[in-house]
Amino acid sequence: DQQVKQNSPSLSVQEGRISILNCDYTNSMFDYFLWYKKYPAEGPTFLISISSIKDKNEDGRFTVFLNKSAKHLSLHIVPSQPGDSAVYFCAAYETGTASKLTFGTGTRLQVTL
Amino acid sequence: KAGVTQTPRYLIKTRGQQVTLSCSPISGHRSVSWYQQTPGQGLQFLFEYFSETQRNKGNFPGRFSGRQFSNSRSEMNVSTLELGDSALYLCASSLGGSGSSPQHFGDGTRLSIL
Repeated sequence: DQQVKQNSPSLSVQEGRISILNCDYTNSMFDYFLWYKKYPAEGPTFLISISSIKDKNEDGRFTVFLNKSAKHLSLHIVPSQPGDSAVYFCAAYETGTASKLTFGTGTRLQVTL
Repeated sequence: KAGVTQTPRYLIKTRGQQVTLSCSPISGHRSVSWYQQTPGQGLQFLFEYFSETQRNKGNFPGRFSGRQFSNSRSEMNVSTLELGDSALYLCASSLGGSGSSPQHFGDGTRLSIL
């Protein structure tokens, strides 16, 4: 039972355009959501998070949107850069269990020139 | 500030053997979590240690165990290795308090079972 789902295994976007990565969850107890980026042969790197009391959080080129009623979140990267090419993981946890993340299966983003 | 350090980076074992992986967290971080990453299952939570005590546990068999030392360094042990244990094992550390500090990951130990 995959509680966090990333239905698009891959995404290709042109440099300078917007990248939109999507994530759905089924566990209504989740109230914190995070995005991680992973390059080959490296561990995941934290990008941005959002709590369920918000519907948007922005950090530079990265914005995360949360739609609680749809149990859906998305990561927007604007503008996309070649260095953004990586695998992006969506993760979630319940209050008090911040060290027990439930991850999606990842979306491989390729930013082309 | 040094990041999370995992040793060794690569390991090859045979079925039935046991293995111990090591993780040194970021200085000041008291929580250490372990994850298994496989192509089919993605990243799955194994367990978390905080102040030398296991605080959370995932759905893995008892062959997977861990411990944490007083300096917050952690080890993970897998006994009676099976082919399906071949994976990237990731360690993550965080402050571990009641707040929502994000986890910081090491680069992992790639375990291959022959």
